[in-house]
Amino acid sequence: QQQVKQSPQSLIVQKGGISIINCAYENTAFDYFPWYQQFPGKGPALLIAIRPDVSEKKEGRFTISFNKSAKQFSLHIMDSQPGDSATYFCAASMSGGGADGLTFGKGTHLIIQP
Amino acid sequence: KAGVTQTPRYLIKTRGQQVTLSCSPISGHRSVSWYQQTPGQGLQFLFEYFSETQRNKGNFPGRFSGRQFSNSRSEMNVSTLELGDSALYLCASSLEADSVFFGPGTRLTVL
Repeated sequence: QQQVKQSPQSLIVQKGGISIINCAYENTAFDYFPWYQQFPGKGPALLIAIRPDVSEKKEGRFTISFNKSAKQFSLHIMDSQPGDSATYFCAASMSGGGADGLTFGKGTHLIIQP
Repeated sequence: KAGVTQTPRYLIKTRGQQVTLSCSPISGHRSVSWYQQTPGQGLQFLFEYFSETQRNKGNFPGRFSGRQFSNSRSEMNVSTLELGDSALYLCASSLEADSVFFGPGTRLTVL
C-alpha cells in the first residue's frame, strides 16, 4: 500500500519558470510533511517542511501548500534555476521524522532547461 | 557542525555473506534511523534507534538488524545477503521530533 503518492514522475521546466510537484497521502494520522532534494550520489537533503496547522510555508524560492481536507500538499519552486535540477521527494510522518520513520513518495525527477 | 557520516561509502559482497554498515549522527542527535533506497521501491524505512533502544521497525525481514551505542553511533547488519539487497543504505539523525538529516549513504552491491 503506497501511503504517499507523488506526481509527476518527471518534470521539465524552463529556467525562470515555476516547478510544481504534488503529493497525496492516505493516513490521516500523518502530521509532519517534509520535502527532500537529492542529487546523484548524495543523500536526500531537507528542503522545507510543514505541519497541518498551517496552509502554506515559504522559504526563499520554495513554498509548500497544504490542503488538509483534500489530504494533499505540493512544492512550488519559483524562478527555477538549472541548479535546481535534482530528484525531489515528498514524505510524511506521524510524529515528526524520528521515531515513526518517514514514508516517502516515489520521487520526481526535475530538469530545469537553461 | 559536521553532518551525518557513513562508512564505508561503497561495498561489494557476494550472496550469502553478511555486511555491517556504520553511521555517526550529527553531534547532539540521539535519534538515528536507517533507510533503504532502490530504484524500484524508492526510500523505505528500516528502523530507528534512540538512546540505544529500537523504537520502531519497518517491514523488512529479520536479516536486517541494527544497534546503537552509548555515543549515539549506530550500525546496521544484513545477514545472508541476497541479490535484492543491493541498494543505497541511508542513515539519518534527528534532534527533536522533526528535521531528519540524511548522510551520503553506503552503496551496497551484492553479486
